[in-house]
Amino acid sequence: EVQLVESGGGLVQPGGSLRLSCAASGFTFSDHYMDWVRQAPGKGLEWVGRIRNKGSSYSTEYAASVKGRFTISRDDSKNSLFLQMNSLKTEDTAVYYCTRAYSSCGNKCNFDSWGPGTLVTVSS
Amino acid sequence: DIQMTQSPSAMSASVGDRVSITCRASQGISNSLVWFQQKPGKVPQRLIYAASTLQSGVPSRFSGTGSGTDFTLTISCLQPEDFATYYCLQYSSYPLTFGGGTKVEIK
Repeated sequence: EVQLVESGGGLVQPGGSLRLSCAASGFTFSDHYMDWVRQAPGKGLEWVGRIRNKGSSYSTEYAASVKGRFTISRDDSKNSLFLQMNSLKTEDTAVYYCTRAYSSCGNKCNFDSWGPGTLVTVSS
Repeated sequence: DIQMTQSPSAMSASVGDRVSITCRASQGISNSLVWFQQKPGKVPQRLIYAASTLQSGVPSRFSGTGSGTDFTLTISCLQPEDFATYYCLQYSSYPLTFGGGTKVEIK
């Protein structure tokens, strides 16, 4: 069974930093591109960014709203995905989800599995 | 960036109704579209991928159509468990973008 579990959320002051983790199990993590998606309280879903697999040089893509402040990385040896968030703003307050994306299974496993999310609150 | 305009933003419907939700892309995205259902306090669940392929385990009353710029999610006979918020997502080009969501409420 595919499982994704985020951790690392919490309360942080504006301008601060936080590192989120996502532990993956039940599938070949290293094969997959992986994404972060967030949802501010009472608002819609917003794509944050993506990291590709080793075959695509672990390249990354980001939403404009986080580019230059957030960094996505992964450790395939530990089946783990990370989101380093710096220079946090109050508008970054949201539940952050990790979700799996492409691999050799193509569209069939694109956004099919999500973690329960971790809440990040940016407030003074 | 590709804008995804989802409509309506909210709607009231009755059990047994046929419901249609649309997403319009600001430029062509082929069939690179996913539909999600999200209930309050829950994780988004994928319903449809590649615009029209039903996720395994999702009831057949859900269907997706469209290609290019215009897409529709249809629920053929609304059930009590279908009252939720629905989102589309385009993955044709970066940044990936979601529609604003459609909240389906009980009439």
